[in-house]
Amino acid sequence: SAVISQKPSRDICQRGTSLTIQCQVDSQVTMMFWYRQQPGQSLTLIATANQGSEATYESGFVIDKFPISRPNLTFSTLTVSNMSPEDSSIYLCSATNNWAGELFFGEGSRLTVL
Amino acid sequence: SQKIEQNSEALNIQEGKTATLTCNYTNYSPAYLQWYRQDPGRGPVFLLLIRENEKEKRKERLKVTFDTTLKQSLFHITASQPADSATYLCALDLGDTGKLIFGQGTTLQVKP
Repeated sequence: SAVISQKPSRDICQRGTSLTIQCQVDSQVTMMFWYRQQPGQSLTLIATANQGSEATYESGFVIDKFPISRPNLTFSTLTVSNMSPEDSSIYLCSATNNWAGELFFGEGSRLTVL
Repeated sequence: SQKIEQNSEALNIQEGKTATLTCNYTNYSPAYLQWYRQDPGRGPVFLLLIRENEKEKRKERLKVTFDTTLKQSLFHITASQPADSATYLCALDLGDTGKLIFGQGTTLQVKP
């Protein structure tokens, strides 16, 4: 299993600013992912965080808006850039150690953009 | 594109009864399907995984079925308890990528 810590757990931000969310796993993991969960909605995959290389983004998400880093096997960051109220959401970090295994999730970072 | 549908309406049942949640999918043939539980303000927690060659899987009071012909999975909680009240999400794999796509979830409310 893996325990995932995210911070901040919540934040209120002004339009036009950027926020970086950190994700720390208590053990080395093979894959890390970032999801977004808008109020009352399910999880939408933003990107796969690749260790030592550029993240792989899903349709509708771009690097300029959501830059992601993964410098090692236990840590990743997601930045939400030039925020607008539409970016208000919960951002979830997840990780797994095998292709067909369970995903472990952090508790999420609740972002409110005013 | 792949589509996953879960009952959007909340499911309300009496304690002790069996809860049955449905997950239907289209335009895809996943190798495995997973179920997660999510409590308010928390991240999803893995419950069960079932592979395409498995018809049924059990874990304590939980049972999952996987019908690849109907493109449907059923998730059962027997002898339900108020503590089982939560949102339950089904998720499908996207091939050999490790990525999962999630349904919108069904909220279960178990009344004492």
